[in-house]
Amino acid sequence: AQKITQTQPGMFVQEKEAVTLDCTYDTSDPSYGLFWYKQPSSGEMIFLIYQGSYDQQNATEGRYSLNFQKARKSANLVISASQLGDSAMYFCAMREWSGAGSYQLTFGKGTKLSVIP
Amino acid sequence: DTAVSQTPKYLVTQMGNDKSIKCEQNLGHDTMYWYKQDSKKFLKIMFSYNNKELIINETVPNRFSPKSPDKAHLNLHINSLELGDSAVYFCASSQVGGGYSNQPQHFGDGTRLSIL
Repeated sequence: AQKITQTQPGMFVQEKEAVTLDCTYDTSDPSYGLFWYKQPSSGEMIFLIYQGSYDQQNATEGRYSLNFQKARKSANLVISASQLGDSAMYFCAMREWSGAGSYQLTFGKGTKLSVIP
Repeated sequence: DTAVSQTPKYLVTQMGNDKSIKCEQNLGHDTMYWYKQDSKKFLKIMFSYNNKELIINETVPNRFSPKSPDKAHLNLHINSLELGDSAVYFCASSQVGGGYSNQPQHFGDGTRLSIL
C-alpha cells in the first residue's frame, strides 16, 4: 500500500501567485515526521520544510508553509509568491523509524511544478 | 566545503562490469543512506548505516554491496551491472539520536549511472 500519495503529477502556476502541492500519507505510528524536498532540473535534493506529528503549529520557512491536517492525514505544501526558480519536482516524504538509530524516508512520486512568467 | 559529496557524478559503463560509487559527509552525522531514483523520478531507500553498522537493507539484489569504513563514508559497489541498474543513486546522511528526529536527511548531488 502506498504510504505517501502525491496526486498531482504536474502543476502550473503564474509567477507571483501562490500554489498548493498535495500530499496525503498513511501510517499507524503516532510519532512520525513529514518532509518536503525540492529537486530542480540540475538534480540535487533540497530540503524545504519539516512537520512533526506532535507539532502544534503548522511549519513555515520563508515562502514555504505546510498545511498540516492530521485527522485527514494530509500535509500540503504551500508556496507563496511563486518565482521562476521554483520550477522543479517536489517530493513529500515520511520518516519511518527503522530502529537501531536509523530512520528511512518513504517518498511520494513527486509533483512537477512549472512557474509561468 | 560540500556537506555530502559523491563521486563520480556520471558513470557510463558496459553491462557486466563492476563499479563503485563513493560518498563522504563532513557533517558529523552518524547515519548514512543510499537511495535509488528511477527513470520516473521515484526515490527508494536501498541501505542505511548507523556508525558503520548496516541497519536497513531493502530488497536489493546482492550484486549491490555497501561498505562503510567509518561513519563519514559509505560506498556502494555494484557487481555485474545490468541494464535495469541505470538510475540516479543518491547518498544521504542524517543525525538521528539525541533529539534530532526533526532534522532532515542531507543528500549528495547524485550519481547518474548509465549502462550501455
